[in-house]
Amino acid sequence: AQKITQTQPGMFVQEKEAVTLDCTYDTSDQSYGLFWYKQPSSGEMIFLIYQGSYDEQNATEGRYSLNFQKARKSANLVISASQLGDSAMYFCAMRESGTYKYIFGTGTRLKVLA
Amino acid sequence: GAVVSQHPSRVICKSGTSVKIECRSLDFQATTMFWYRQFPKQSLMLMATSNEGSKATYEQGVEKDKFLINHASLTLSTLTVTSAHPEDSSFYICSASSLERLNTEAFFGQGTRLTVV
Repeated sequence: AQKITQTQPGMFVQEKEAVTLDCTYDTSDQSYGLFWYKQPSSGEMIFLIYQGSYDEQNATEGRYSLNFQKARKSANLVISASQLGDSAMYFCAMRESGTYKYIFGTGTRLKVLA
Repeated sequence: GAVVSQHPSRVICKSGTSVKIECRSLDFQATTMFWYRQFPKQSLMLMATSNEGSKATYEQGVEKDKFLINHASLTLSTLTVTSAHPEDSSFYICSASSLERLNTEAFFGQGTRLTVV
């Protein structure tokens, strides 16, 4: 069965510092997609970054980068130069091939300190 | 990115009544919509997948008769919580996709916070 594991329920980071949010996954599929979403207190899910299983380069989107280590089945999110507005819940997700369903991890609550 | 609108954002209803939540794709035709439920401080759990013009596929443990899903058009899916009880209180969120967008990120509605009193 496919599974996403986020082992950090909560993280603190000082403003302007970088932070890494961990995500490991388990799948027997060869083709899959990995995503990170941000969920602020208002509840909406904001797409941050995507990594395809066949992508050789790590994905980057502005201050977000995804450290993809396929052999270790990890897809950690790195946020550089943290801002107060980055305080939110962060979910790692995997899209199943074929069904296109998303499986979410349990999330990491990030708090950026001034 | 694509816009998915969910309505209402908050609803309070009495036990025993039914509540309908709408999920609309505003700028693309959504052949597939997903409905999730999220308890406080927990992850999103997929409830069902709805494809336009066909019956929804429910995840294991989700009561079909309790959570009625209709996807009658390419831009609208509805989730009706029937005979609501306090334990149905939760955050419900939809996401929409299309054949052209299945390989892109999912676009989510803003979510609906349901409180049953």
